[in-house]
Amino acid sequence: ILNVEQSPQSLHVQEGDSTNFTCSFPSSNFYALHWYRWETAKSPEALFVMTLNGDEKKKGRISATLNTKEGYSYLYIKGSQPEDSATYLCARNSGGSNYKLTFGKGTLLTVNP
Amino acid sequence: EAGVTQFPSHSVIEKGQTVTLRCDPISGHDNLYWYRRVMGKEIKFLLHFVKESKQDESGMPNNRFLAERTGGTYSTLKVQPAELEDSGVYFCASSQGALPYEQYFGPGTRLTVT
Repeated sequence: ILNVEQSPQSLHVQEGDSTNFTCSFPSSNFYALHWYRWETAKSPEALFVMTLNGDEKKKGRISATLNTKEGYSYLYIKGSQPEDSATYLCARNSGGSNYKLTFGKGTLLTVNP
Repeated sequence: EAGVTQFPSHSVIEKGQTVTLRCDPISGHDNLYWYRRVMGKEIKFLLHFVKESKQDESGMPNNRFLAERTGGTYSTLKVQPAELEDSGVYFCASSQGALPYEQYFGPGTRLTVT
């Protein structure tokens, strides 16, 4: 994998469903993996920053895992609510003096009431 | 604490005109970044300031784009002359400290070039 890739591109679920998305990234020169939640016309909101292989983080109904050896991260949402509707972005940075984030295209989640 | 702010929120200009976008980072954040999202594509890095110095400008598309951060506080991104392909959402982000951890994003400026 050369770029950060996210799947699926979009997802429609019913309120109460649990769901998950995938972020795949180059495993070489890895420093950190970021997850953001973005609603159009608003600031992307940082959800998690993960650096260590096997990291698991949780924030309310949202959690994320990280596998740096195989180059993937999962984001899970338990009991989706309409207010979870947003684009979920993952981004990677390779550390050192290189601070820039390399983003995937995002997963657009729509939660139907 | 105020977040990252950007001005204007929207700008519609004609091809060939000049536009200047402004970003005010979170107070005390030395690192300031510009990113751009063209419709249908991923958010892409443009450049990174540490205080008033350009640390990395590898993502700047061409010399029609000029970024400044005089005094190490707010930053401006000027596009002159604007082309149709410059349309998109321009995000600014800031972070503190030496580690490239959380970058805090502004709401973006939506630029439309007609």
